[in-house]
Amino acid sequence: AQKITQTQPGMFVQEKEAVTLDCTYDTSDPSYGLFWYKQPSSGEMIFLIYQGSYDQQNATEGRYSLNFQKARKSANLVISASQLGDSAMYFCAMREEPSSFGNEKLTFGTGTRLTIIP
Amino acid sequence: GAVVSQHPSRVICKSGTSVKIECRSLDFQATTMFWYRQFPKQSLMLMATSNEGSKATYEQGVEKDKFLINHASLTLSTLTVTSAHPEDSSFYICSARSNTQYFGPGTRLTVL
Repeated sequence: AQKITQTQPGMFVQEKEAVTLDCTYDTSDPSYGLFWYKQPSSGEMIFLIYQGSYDQQNATEGRYSLNFQKARKSANLVISASQLGDSAMYFCAMREEPSSFGNEKLTFGTGTRLTIIP
Repeated sequence: GAVVSQHPSRVICKSGTSVKIECRSLDFQATTMFWYRQFPKQSLMLMATSNEGSKATYEQGVEKDKFLINHASLTLSTLTVTSAHPEDSSFYICSARSNTQYFGPGTRLTVL
């Protein structure tokens, strides 16, 4: 079974509108972390936001917020007031309980290509 | 935020040659670095976990003799693609953990 599922291969959104990118995950670990990364055409992976499984509140970072619904195992990324520069691939990733500090690997979803329309 | 660099950013080589890719953490020490491979329009797939001073841990299906990893210091890990073939052409990305996991800019390898 897929550990990270992103069901939207592509999305087109009007500039200045809000957009929600879906991500569901599957794990039996009680402790895990969820990440969102942005990958523009240049290829670099840009860290956007992090949510820990024990965090009580949804994470927010500027225009990015994470709609964390633990019971539903979903961690959707919400981008408010979208901008042309938001056009990129977006990956959801999960880090399960590491066996030791620093030794933690990320499992990525298949990504969503977001295109912002002027 | 923390900075991770990779060199080279792009390399084209002939089939059968070996290519070395460097990953450096510029402003922090990383006992563990990760190497990912990304094929066009696909997600990142973890290849191996690079541990400073010890052998790398490879994911299932990744040939350790083909993808040699050396983590010689707390700021440098290298990935050597030995006897490269066209099917090894891909985007290789390393990452290192500071307070979160930061990625290098990637290396695009094209094997002719």
